[in-house]
Amino acid sequence: DVVMTQSPDSLAVSLGERATINCKSSQSISYISNNKNYLAWYQQKPGQSPKLLIYWASTRESGVPDRFSGSGSGTDFTLTINSLQAEDVAVYYCHQYYTIPFTFGPGTKVDIK
Amino acid sequence: QVQLQESGPGLVKPSETLSLTCSVSGGSISSYFWSWIRQPAGKGLEWLGRIYSTGITNYNPSLKSRITMSLDTSKNQFSLKLSSVTAADTAVYYCARFRSDVNVFDIWGQGTMVSVSS
Repeated sequence: DVVMTQSPDSLAVSLGERATINCKSSQSISYISNNKNYLAWYQQKPGQSPKLLIYWASTRESGVPDRFSGSGSGTDFTLTINSLQAEDVAVYYCHQYYTIPFTFGPGTKVDIK
Repeated sequence: QVQLQESGPGLVKPSETLSLTCSVSGGSISSYFWSWIRQPAGKGLEWLGRIYSTGITNYNPSLKSRITMSLDTSKNQFSLKLSSVTAADTAVYYCARFRSDVNVFDIWGQGTMVSVSS
């Protein structure tokens, strides 16, 4: 299985500041043939189901604010939340869909400082 | 817009079979993969398996001997059966649509809590 790790486990950021979450896969989750990274990010607010934010490592899902951005390739990926808003308090999960079984990172909890 | 709703018993006895159904509304079950994902309390997400609208399945090998997924296109529903459950199977179970053009879970149900206890 592809093991996904995330850092930090949690972080607290002041409103309006930037939050950065890192995700690492145990093997490359990029296909050279199509130059795509099979990595998505989900946001899960308390008591809610996960919501898709980003796929192909850097493509925002329709309706997702542009303060959310993703980057990275191969085994190392980053989710950046620019100008953190109160409604961004949540747990963020990275997810690889390169190979079955699909796997998720353990999550990073983002709070307001 | 497409919505998913899980249903099924909230309590299952150890060694018995957990059975859940996901009802799809606002769209057809055809031409998509449909998945089950679970989340133990306070923990991360585990993908259990997926089924295509033709009935083709892929399961997480960690569960392969215990899991069965099926679908009923006439009812626009798909189902999960997990046999020989233990306390480790206690979790919130989500159903989700897998959008194959971008290979991600784009629509999720609200989740249903299943506890395994005698």
